[in-house]
Amino acid sequence: AQSVTQPDIHITVSEGASLELRCNYSYGATPYLFWYVQSPGQGLQLLLKYFSGDTLVQGIKGFEAEFKRSQSSFNLRKPSVHWSDAAEYFCAVGAGGNEKLTFGTGTRLTIIP
Amino acid sequence: GAGVSQSPRYKVAKRGQDVALRCDPISGHVSLFWYQQALGQGPEFLTYFQNEAQLDKSGLPSDRFFAERPEGSVSTLKIQRTQQEDSAVYLCASSSVGAPEQFFGPGTRLTVL
Repeated sequence: AQSVTQPDIHITVSEGASLELRCNYSYGATPYLFWYVQSPGQGLQLLLKYFSGDTLVQGIKGFEAEFKRSQSSFNLRKPSVHWSDAAEYFCAVGAGGNEKLTFGTGTRLTIIP
Repeated sequence: GAGVSQSPRYKVAKRGQDVALRCDPISGHVSLFWYQQALGQGPEFLTYFQNEAQLDKSGLPSDRFFAERPEGSVSTLKIQRTQQEDSAVYLCASSSVGAPEQFFGPGTRLTVL
């Protein structure tokens, strides 16, 4: 069965600092990987996705993520965070096609001035 | 509208009442998913439709949960005899043919008293 682990429940960073959110997955084949962001009271917005090809993928809002098969990881990064980045971030894995997604428990990001 | 819409946004039910939650997917999206998100958790899969066919209902927690999509567009998730443990945000997502990324609605927050 597929699973996702987000080891950090809560991360606090200063505005302008760099950010890395960790995601580890368990899946038997080549996974389809996603990062979503959820602001309070909102649904999930897709930040970026990885299906195949270049292992470094670019997303919206200046985010990027790197797929590392040897480490079963898909960490999310941003060089310089903005106060508006404060939200909950979810990593998800899918089998591809039109299959259900399995989500991690999320990482809450707090930005301090 | 351009995105997935859900109604109502908030629902308060007394224990034992039946509720119906509506999802209007992005126009033309063949696939529709329902997820349940408990407080402080990631979304968990409930059920999946391709057009009007319910292809996977393995995530429905009990036979009190029922979903339908009779004309292959709008979907309704019905919960009979609600219990306090049903309190959660119910998210709907849709995707197009051959595209693994899912687009989420804002969710319906259900509170069972």
